Amino acid sequence: AQTVTQSQPEMSVQEAETVTLSCTYDTSENNYYLFWYKQPPSRQMILVIRQEAYKQQNATENRFSVNFQKAAKSFSLKISDSQLGDTAMYFCAFMKSYNNNDMRFGAGTRLTVKP
Amino acid sequence: NAGVTQTPKFRVLKTGQSMTLLCAQDMNHEYMYWYRQDPGMGLRLIHYSVGEGTTAKGEVPDGYNVSRLKKQNFLLGLESAAPSQTSVYFCATTGVFGNQPQHFGDGTRLSIL
Repeated sequence: AQTVTQSQPEMSVQEAETVTLSCTYDTSENNYYLFWYKQPPSRQMILVIRQEAYKQQNATENRFSVNFQKAAKSFSLKISDSQLGDTAMYFCAFMKSYNNNDMRFGAGTRLTVKP
Repeated sequence: NAGVTQTPKFRVLKTGQSMTLLCAQDMNHEYMYWYRQDPGMGLRLIHYSVGEGTTAKGEVPDGYNVSRLKKQNFLLGLESAAPSQTSVYFCATTGVFGNQPQHFGDGTRLSIL
C-alpha cells in the first residue's frame, strides 16, 4: 500500500516570505499523480496544485510551485510571497494513475502565516 | 453552482443511535467517496462508488454502510454509532479520468457521546 508522509506537523512563516512544505511517499508504481490540498479554518478542501509523475517539469500555479523528485519520492510545496490567507492545513496526496479509488493522504502540515 | 453539498454540517449523537449523512453533487461525476478526517491522520477512505447502483469498501469501512441509488447522491449510514466514529466526514467526487482532482464538500462534524 502507498504511504504518504508529511514530517512537519506545524510550520510558520512571516508574511511575504517563502516557505517549503515537505512530502515523501512510498510506492512501487511508475505512473501516478500527486496533489497538494489546502484546508483553511473554514474546513473546505481546496486543490492547490497537482503533478503527473510522467512529467519531469515541476508544476506551478501562481505563487505555488512544487519540487518533484521522482527518484527520491519527494514532492515538496513552495509558497512564495506568503499571504495571511495562506494560513491553513496542507495535505499531500498520492493516487495511482489507473485507480481513482485509492487516494492516500498525508497527516497534514499546519501552516501559520504571521503578519 | 453548488458543486458538492453535504448535509448536515454538524450533528451530535448518543452511542447506539443511527443516522445518515447525505452528499449531493451537481457536477455529473461518476465517482463519489466518503472520507473521515481525524487529527494527525489525514483523510481516510471509508467507502466509494464508481457509478449509480455500485459501492465498494475503502480503507476503513467497518461500522458504516453506503448507498448510491441516484448518480447525484451518495449516502453514508451509521447503524449504531460509537464514540470511535467521532470525526469530520468529507464527501468527494471526481470524473472518470484519473488525472482529475477530487472535489470536496465542506464536511460534516459528527460527535458521538
